[in-house]
Amino acid sequence: GENVEQHPSTLSVQEGDSAVIKCTYSDSASNYFPWYKQELGKGPQLIIDIRSNVGEKKDQRIAVTLNKTAKHFSLHITETQPEDSAVYFCAASMSSGSARQLTFGSGTQLTVLP
Amino acid sequence: ETGVTQTPRHLVMGMTNKKSLKCEQHLGHNAMYWYKQSAKKPLELMFVYSLEERVENNSVPSRFSPECPNSSHLFLHLHTLQPEDSALYLCASGVGGIQYFGAGTRLSVL
Repeated sequence: GENVEQHPSTLSVQEGDSAVIKCTYSDSASNYFPWYKQELGKGPQLIIDIRSNVGEKKDQRIAVTLNKTAKHFSLHITETQPEDSAVYFCAASMSSGSARQLTFGSGTQLTVLP
Repeated sequence: ETGVTQTPRHLVMGMTNKKSLKCEQHLGHNAMYWYKQSAKKPLELMFVYSLEERVENNSVPSRFSPECPNSSHLFLHLHTLQPEDSALYLCASGVGGIQYFGAGTRLSVL
């Protein structure tokens, strides 16, 4: 089955700096890669996703890049703010019948220092 | 607000109790999921339902029993749990691969 590795497990940055979180996946058939943000006391919330037919996607301060050859994808957050502090999860999925299943990374605790 | 509602938010139960977790979505999604989230571990997929039929059961112990009576509701029935079952249980609904999560039920087994 699919295996997703996520690094680093913790990341501290100064407010205004950039943060980068990296994930690798094992199954070359995976074609959908979402990123989730989980704040304390809440469930994970989708913040951005990318499909295998594109190499990069951007939404304001958040961007995701995908390298299918190397089987890795990354989340980039620019101009970080204290409210960006949370746990971030990457995931990978392949088309599979009527209910697509996600394999998650182990999460990155991001702390933005004021 | 994601449109996925889980109740209760917190639950404490003894090992001999029987309880149920409830999940409700009104997003029109045709797939629903149960996940277990333990500290320092990735989210673990427990059950998947598509169009009210279970399509995946990831080797979950029989003390966890899911039920999906219709496309908007999902239950997780619990009985004779163990302390190691203490965790955050998350429900998600999805369509086209995108999954939306509820806030979870924090379960403590004493």
